[in-house]
Amino acid sequence: DAGVIQSPRHEVTEMGQEVTLRCKPISGHNSLFWYRQTMMRGLELLIYFNNNVPIDDSGMPEDRFSAKMPNASFSTLKIQPSEPRDSAVYFCASSPVAGGVGNEQFFGPGTRLTVL
Amino acid sequence: KNQVEQSPQSLIILEGKNCTLQCNYTVSPFSNLRWYKQDTGRGPVSLTIMTFSENTKSNGRYTATLDADTKQSSLHITASQLSDSASYICVVSPNTGNQFYFGTGTSLTVIP
Repeated sequence: DAGVIQSPRHEVTEMGQEVTLRCKPISGHNSLFWYRQTMMRGLELLIYFNNNVPIDDSGMPEDRFSAKMPNASFSTLKIQPSEPRDSAVYFCASSPVAGGVGNEQFFGPGTRLTVL
Repeated sequence: KNQVEQSPQSLIILEGKNCTLQCNYTVSPFSNLRWYKQDTGRGPVSLTIMTFSENTKSNGRYTATLDADTKQSSLHITASQLSDSASYICVVSPNTGNQFYFGTGTSLTVIP
């Protein structure tokens, strides 16, 4: 298996622009997680899905952030409009077991976002 | 307040030496604690997971210990190798709700 696939790997954009990050989870996995990582705050859980349904989005920082999972093999994280403080590495992870955040998660390589 | 604190923040050791990383948490009620290794430019990879009843668990040269009474965990690396250079992140899950708590990690550098 190719593991969790994220695209793009790097994104540089200007403040105010819309940014869309994409994730393909490991086939057969039932849970998908979006994280943000910065030097100051470490890893933060933004949102997670079980069987394509959003379960907990309390970590989404603002209404500018939205996430969708239209099917079991694809998810997007959108930031509109983007701001410089959104600059971070965004990770997607998937887990073979639905229902809990404590199960092992398999992380993608991340998308490094820079907002100028 | 649920928190996870790791120490030291960074560590440099010589290849072949042992080291121990610490994780203290206040998360309650406790469900499990996981150690992740994150290589530079990569996503985290799970090393070990420990539940309330487990005191120690090994994964090759990595050995994690857990003291649920004092809410402390350690990750011991034996005979370090250059490839051990990475960030090590402690993650604690409560047994209620859908949240979990990340430490900010320990950055380990192994030098020849």
